[in-house]
Amino acid sequence: SQKIEQNSEALNIQEGKTATLTCNYTNYSPAYLQWYRQDPGRGPVFLLLIRENEKEKRKERLKVTFDTTLKQSLFHITASQPADSATYLCAVEGDKIIFGKGTRLHILP
Amino acid sequence: GAGVSQSPSNKVTEKGKDVELRCDPISGHTALYWYRQSLGQGLEFLIYFQGNSAPDKSGLPSDRFSAERTGGSVSTLTIQRTQQEDSAVYLCASSLVGSRSGYEQYFGPGTRLTVT
Repeated sequence: SQKIEQNSEALNIQEGKTATLTCNYTNYSPAYLQWYRQDPGRGPVFLLLIRENEKEKRKERLKVTFDTTLKQSLFHITASQPADSATYLCAVEGDKIIFGKGTRLHILP
Repeated sequence: GAGVSQSPSNKVTEKGKDVELRCDPISGHTALYWYRQSLGQGLEFLIYFQGNSAPDKSGLPSDRFSAERTGGSVSTLTIQRTQQEDSAVYLCASSLVGSRSGYEQYFGPGTRLTVT
C-alpha cells in the first residue's frame, strides 16, 4: 500500500542552525511533492512544491530536495528561528494527494 | 480576498446524533477536499470534489459519512449517528485546480468535533 513516512519524533534544533526534515514514500510515483506548515489549532499552510523532474527548490530560508530514485524529499530551514517551531507535513501528489503525519520541529533559543 | 472558512469552529454532540459541517472555499477554486485529523495524527483524506465531476469518495470511513457540494461552491460534510471515534478536527481545503496539477491547497481553520 502507499505510505508516507516522516520523522515521528520531535526534532529539537538550536536557533541559527539548519533544521533538516525527511519525507520518505513507498509504492507511489508522485508527480509533485509539497511541504506544509501547521501550527497548533490551525489548518496547514502551503510552503513549497517541487516537481518530479526538479532536484531542488528554494524559497528564502527554505530548501527542498526531491530524489525520485530514493523516494525521498528533504526539507531544510537554514538560520532557524524560534518562530519556525511548528509541525511540518509533506504531501505527495499523483492521482490523489497523500499527507504524511508530520514532524514537530522545536527551535531552541 | 477571504480564505477558506469553516463552521462551526467547535461542535459537541451526543453519540447517535447527526452533525453537519460546512465549508466555504475560496471563490473560483474548482477543487475542494475534506480531511480528518485526530490528535497526533496526519491528515486522513475523506472526499474530493473537482468541478462537475463525480466526487472521489474513496476516503470516507463508513456509509455514515457523506458530503455534497452545491453549485460548485459551498460544501457540507454530514456524519450520521455519530460515534465517539468520529471525534477529530475536520479540515476543508480548496485548490484552484485539482489533483495532478501541482496547485497548492488552502486550508480552513477546521471544525473540532467532540462526540460524547
